[in-house]
Amino acid sequence: DIQMTQSPASLSASLGETVSIECLASEDIYNNLAWYQQKPGKSPQLLIYYASSLQDGVPSRFSGSGSGTQYSLKINSLESEDAATYFCLQDSEYPWTFGGGTKLELK
Amino acid sequence: QVQLQQSGAELVKPGSSVKMSCKASGYTFTSYYIYWIKQRPGQGLEWIGRIGPGSGDTNYNEKFKGKATFTVDKSSSTAYMQLSSLTPEDTAVYYCARLDWESSYWGQGVMVTVSS
Repeated sequence: DIQMTQSPASLSASLGETVSIECLASEDIYNNLAWYQQKPGKSPQLLIYYASSLQDGVPSRFSGSGSGTQYSLKINSLESEDAATYFCLQDSEYPWTFGGGTKLELK
Repeated sequence: QVQLQQSGAELVKPGSSVKMSCKASGYTFTSYYIYWIKQRPGQGLEWIGRIGPGSGDTNYNEKFKGKATFTVDKSSSTAYMQLSSLTPEDTAVYYCARLDWESSYWGQGVMVTVSS
């Protein structure tokens, strides 16, 4: 199985700041990576697909980048509604696998 | 609009089985795979597998073979997942989802609690 190592596990940032979350795959996943946001008690919501494509309706302050085994999610100008847990998902090879998650707290 | 409506929470005993449903609406049920995902309390997500409602073909995560069984009822646009030989490790929220290339739709999740 492809292992997805996500970092950091948690981070705390202030409104207006920019943060980045990383996912490292155990092998090349050819940009087949999605980013999800999950708020407590809610289902995950798709933010980014194919590493860098923004899902319809997602604010442009979210962006994804990367290739090969290294991928990142960047959130510019943090807003209060961005407090959530973020997951990466590789859909390159079965079984699909998720990163361990990053809990983002707003100060 | 696309909706996936899951059945309600379950409290089940160790060693028993549970079958949950995922009713799809707002699209042609047979045209898209249904995926099943597990999330243990306070933890990450695990991909259990998927089923193609039109063909019935399935892909299971090896970890869940023998544990999870997917079925569909095309007449009611409903997908089902049965979990067998339940243990406390199976206590989790189980989601069904339609995971397309550029969009995703998730059910609200079913909380399964395994306890004697």
